Amino acid sequence: ETGVTQSPTHLIKTRGQQVTLRCSSQSGHNTVSWYQQALGQGPQFIFQYYREEENGRGNFPPRFSGLQFPNYSSELNVNALELDDSALYLCASRFGGTKGTDTQYFGPGTRLTVL
Amino acid sequence: DAKTTQPNSMESNEEEPVHLPCNHSTISGTDYIHWYRQLPSQGPEYVIHGLTSNVNNRMASLAIAEDRKSSTLILHRATLRDAAVYYCILLRSNDYKLSFGAGTTVTVRA
Repeated sequence: ETGVTQSPTHLIKTRGQQVTLRCSSQSGHNTVSWYQQALGQGPQFIFQYYREEENGRGNFPPRFSGLQFPNYSSELNVNALELDDSALYLCASRFGGTKGTDTQYFGPGTRLTVL
Repeated sequence: DAKTTQPNSMESNEEEPVHLPCNHSTISGTDYIHWYRQLPSQGPEYVIHGLTSNVNNRMASLAIAEDRKSSTLILHRATLRDAAVYYCILLRSNDYKLSFGAGTTVTVRA
């Protein structure tokens, strides 16, 4: 069974640029969530995708957007990068749509640095 | 969202038990108690969850107070690999987004 994978591992961008991060969900999982983890803090929920549609969003501006593909893999796009966007971006997958008791499986994350 | 309170850090010796407390005095009847941990340079990892009764799995045990206002994660024999940040999270049965606090940083001494 393949776990959650994310690419790239590390990324350096400059302020104002755009970035795309990728996530492959665990086999059999149809739901993907994205989290942002600033240094020294716990992860913060960005949004969730279920069957290719966003069905939940945290307190993040519209310049954070995403996609989910028919194979349930997902992308996180961030436009107009700001210095505060520097963080570890985590993807988590599960099978269950909105059911809250499901276990979420996290990938290793993508470390984004904005200069 | 109901809040949880955890100590900032705890230390343990290898092969000794570790008891990690979590207070959640505003918990509602439909809130599940979840524990995740995050090893250095890795994403969070599910540990255990429960609703009312104590729970055991291969990783840990979860002891839930009778009034559900507190719980304790028990690592029966700590190993160096258990050094991580442990997060106690409340999750409604119809919710899905995990609200991570600062967690408890566990250090295991050899």
